[in-house]
Amino acid sequence: DTGVSQDPRHKITKRGQNVTFRCDPISEHNRLYWYRQTLGQGPEFLTYFQNEAQLEKSRLLSDRFSAERPKGSFSTLEIQRTEQGDSAMYLCASSLGASLETQYFGPGTRLLVL
Amino acid sequence: RKEVEQDPGPFNVPEGATVAFNCTYSNSASQSFFWYRQDCRKEPKLLMSVYSSGNEDGRFTAQLNRASQYISLLIRDSKLSDSATYLCVVNLSGTYKYIFGTGTRLKVLA
Repeated sequence: DTGVSQDPRHKITKRGQNVTFRCDPISEHNRLYWYRQTLGQGPEFLTYFQNEAQLEKSRLLSDRFSAERPKGSFSTLEIQRTEQGDSAMYLCASSLGASLETQYFGPGTRLLVL
Repeated sequence: RKEVEQDPGPFNVPEGATVAFNCTYSNSASQSFFWYRQDCRKEPKLLMSVYSSGNEDGRFTAQLNRASQYISLLIRDSKLSDSATYLCVVNLSGTYKYIFGTGTRLKVLA
């Protein structure tokens, strides 16, 4: 499968714990996005990487959230001191960067904070 | 006011019907527009980009009205397999931020 992959697919954690998610984009894609989606809502933009550079970050993203893409390939999203409100589907997408670009989404990581 | 607004539906239509969805956006600096489809418990997938002159792909037609700040999606001859949530997506000029609407849920009934 040469699509976007995410790991883990599901994560249950207790409030206050730290969690880290991984995204592997399509190999030639230099653009990578993280989104969060809750039930009945569309994906909400979190952050954007062009190669290894984090070029945009949502103002909604608190200091507890951090993302990296150290070598311009895979990316990680870490949430520190999780809260129940962090429960959501975390989606990663990648694109080639051409005009009118198509974003290809991974299957997501579903997080439940107890 | 939300940046991108859609009627959440559901739109229940019989097979073979024509159905249209609208999506309004608030920022006139929006430059790129898309429709994505999302099946239940699956990831979103691009249905079509929306060009200024409008564009068609088989049974699907997308239109952009910059003056009134809305985009539309028309589905002709609906199939059962068209049942899904349709997400309107807008990109603001000069940013890498893509704003999704809440989605419009379509159910095509046999």
